[in-house]
Amino acid sequence: EAGVTQFPSHSVIEKGQTVTLRCDPISGHDNLYWYRRVMGKEIKFLLHFVKESKQDESGMPNNRFLAERTGGTYSTLKVQPAELEDSGVYFCASSQGRGGLNEQFFGPGTRLTVL
Amino acid sequence: RKEVEQDPGPFNVPEGATVAFNCTYSNSASQSFFWYRQDCRKEPKLLMSVYSSGNEDGRFTAQLNRASQYISLLIRDSKLSDSATYLCVVQKGPLYGGATNKLIFGTGTLLAVQP
Repeated sequence: EAGVTQFPSHSVIEKGQTVTLRCDPISGHDNLYWYRRVMGKEIKFLLHFVKESKQDESGMPNNRFLAERTGGTYSTLKVQPAELEDSGVYFCASSQGRGGLNEQFFGPGTRLTVL
Repeated sequence: RKEVEQDPGPFNVPEGATVAFNCTYSNSASQSFFWYRQDCRKEPKLLMSVYSSGNEDGRFTAQLNRASQYISLLIRDSKLSDSATYLCVVQKGPLYGGATNKLIFGTGTLLAVQP
């Protein structure tokens, strides 16, 4: 069974540009999460989708970040306009159900560098 | 203060050694606890969940002390392949369902097992 996939694996953009990250969860997983790790810091939660609905977006840093999951399948995370502090690794995870007994499986991440 | 605190290490140990990692969490509402393993430039992967009664998986033993808000991981007979960053992770949501499913990560403890 395929795991969580993310595209692109790396992205280098200039400040002020727009970048869109994509995540394909494990097939059948209704729950999709975005996390990110900035240099030297811990991995932090951004938001959680249940199917196409945003269940929890308490971690989204500001309105330059827009996440969507149309149709409840893959998700995109758009950063517009990108700032230097947005550099980091963006991880997507998915789980079949909710709660601590439902493992969140992580994708390989997208490494974003904003110059 | 970080919600999950870990000693960043590095822990340099010889093969065959026993090594212990500790972690504290600040939110007493946390209900689910995990150790994740992250190899260099890879995604985090669940190593084991941590239960109040303590649990063991081969050479790995995890303990939880809710009163002290303290989690530990013991690795016996260390192997070269155990070299990685070990992430202490808590979740506020219940074991099933729940409105909050976000994982809260510590910064990780780096383990280097030497031949």
